[in-house]
Amino acid sequence: AQKVTQAQTEISVVEKEDVTLDCVYETRDTTYYLFWYKQPPSGELVFLIRRNSFDEQNEISGRYSWNFQKSTSSFNFTITASQVVDSAVYFCALSNSSTGANSKLTFGKGITLSVRP
Amino acid sequence: ETGVTQTPRHLVMGMTNKKSLKCEQHLGHNAMYWYKQSAKKPLELMFVYNFKEQTENNSVPSRFSPECPNSSHLFLHLHTLQPEDSALYLCASSLAKSGGYNEQFFGPGTRLTVL
Repeated sequence: AQKVTQAQTEISVVEKEDVTLDCVYETRDTTYYLFWYKQPPSGELVFLIRRNSFDEQNEISGRYSWNFQKSTSSFNFTITASQVVDSAVYFCALSNSSTGANSKLTFGKGITLSVRP
Repeated sequence: ETGVTQTPRHLVMGMTNKKSLKCEQHLGHNAMYWYKQSAKKPLELMFVYNFKEQTENNSVPSRFSPECPNSSHLFLHLHTLQPEDSALYLCASSLAKSGGYNEQFFGPGTRLTVL
C-alpha cells in the first residue's frame, strides 16, 4: 500500500521568509514517482514537479527547490523569499511505476500555506 | 478553450435531485479521471477511464454514475446524493502511453453542496 504523509497542516509566514513543506512517503515499489501540486483558491491543481525514484538530484526552479532523500523517504519542498501569491494548498503525491491510466496518484492531505504581506 | 474545463463551477442540489457534472479536456489526452476532495481529507480517486473504457472504480457508491462518451468528455451523473457527498469534484486527464509516467492535468473543479 502507498501512503503520503504531510504532517504540517497549516503554515503561516511573512513575505520574504523561506518556508519548507515536508512530505514523507511509504511504498513497496522500487520504481515510483513523486509529485508536488499547488492548489490556489481557484481550486485547480497546478502541477509543480515530478521526480522518479532513480533520480535523487535536488532540483531548483526559481524560488522553488525540492530535496529528495530516499534514505528517509522524504521529498521536501522549499519556497525561498515567499510571496503573497504563494498562498495556496500544496499537495505531495506518489504514484507507482505503471504507465498511463493505471498510474494512480496517492495524495497527502495537503498543507495550507498563508503568506502575509 | 485550453486545458481541462469543468462545468458547472458551483452546484447546490437537494437529496432528491438529479444533476450532472461535465469535464472536457482540450489536450489530446486519452485518459480521464474523477477525484473527490472533501475538507481535511486527501484527494480520493473515484473513477478512471482509459480510451473511453472504465478501468478503475474505487468502491464509489452507485449514486455516482460516470460516463465517458469519447476521450475528450467525461460526465459524472448524480442522483439521490447525501449531505456528506458535498465536496469539490475534480476532473483530470493524462496521455496514457507506454514508457514513463505522464502527468495528470486537473480542471478547476465543481464545488458541490448537497442540502
